Amino acid sequence: DAGVTQSPTHLIKTRGQQVTLRCSPKSGHDTVSWYQQALGQGPQFIFQYYEEEERQRGNFPDRFSGHQFPNYSSELNVNALLLGDSALYLCASSRQGPYAYEQYFGPGTRLTVT
Amino acid sequence: QQPVQSPQAVILREGEDAVINCSSSKALYSVHWYRQKHGEAPVFLMILLKGGEQKGHDKISASFNEKKQQSSLYLTASQLSYSGTYFCGTGGLAGTASKLTFGTGTRLQVTL
Repeated sequence: DAGVTQSPTHLIKTRGQQVTLRCSPKSGHDTVSWYQQALGQGPQFIFQYYEEEERQRGNFPDRFSGHQFPNYSSELNVNALLLGDSALYLCASSRQGPYAYEQYFGPGTRLTVT
Repeated sequence: QQPVQSPQAVILREGEDAVINCSSSKALYSVHWYRQKHGEAPVFLMILLKGGEQKGHDKISASFNEKKQQSSLYLTASQLSYSGTYFCGTGGLAGTASKLTFGTGTRLQVTL
């Protein structure tokens, strides 16, 4: 049973560029959340997708956008990259229902903005 | 507001016990605990719900004081595999994993 997968593993971009990160949820999961984790910090919630719609959003600017596809996979897009966007981006999946409290994280995408 | 965890770091010998605390300035309805090993993704340990219900790990215990808006994670007879950074997460609408706010983290190192 495949867990949460993310691609790419590492990415280097220049300020002002745009980036797209991808996530495939754990089998049987229909909800995807994205987090940003700066070095030495806890993950910060960006947004959550369910039924192809953004359901919850954290305190992130509109430069951060996302999408969920019918197969439940998801993309995170960041426009006009800033140096401060350098971080580990984590995708987490969960399922609606009685186990909605348990989410599984992917290995993350390490984004470096130069 | 981000929950505050204490201590920031702790070093234990294998077999010793540890307590990690998580305090919030907001009313808590649930507290989620995760462990993240270096270079790896966070792993869900347990959730504590308002009213005393606890779900998750059967070898790690925790408490949830709703009035004090605090939770504590108890690691007894620690093993080398317990090493990592522990995060508490609060928010979690209706006990779900939605929109969690993670704490400042506690680095735990277990040595021989």
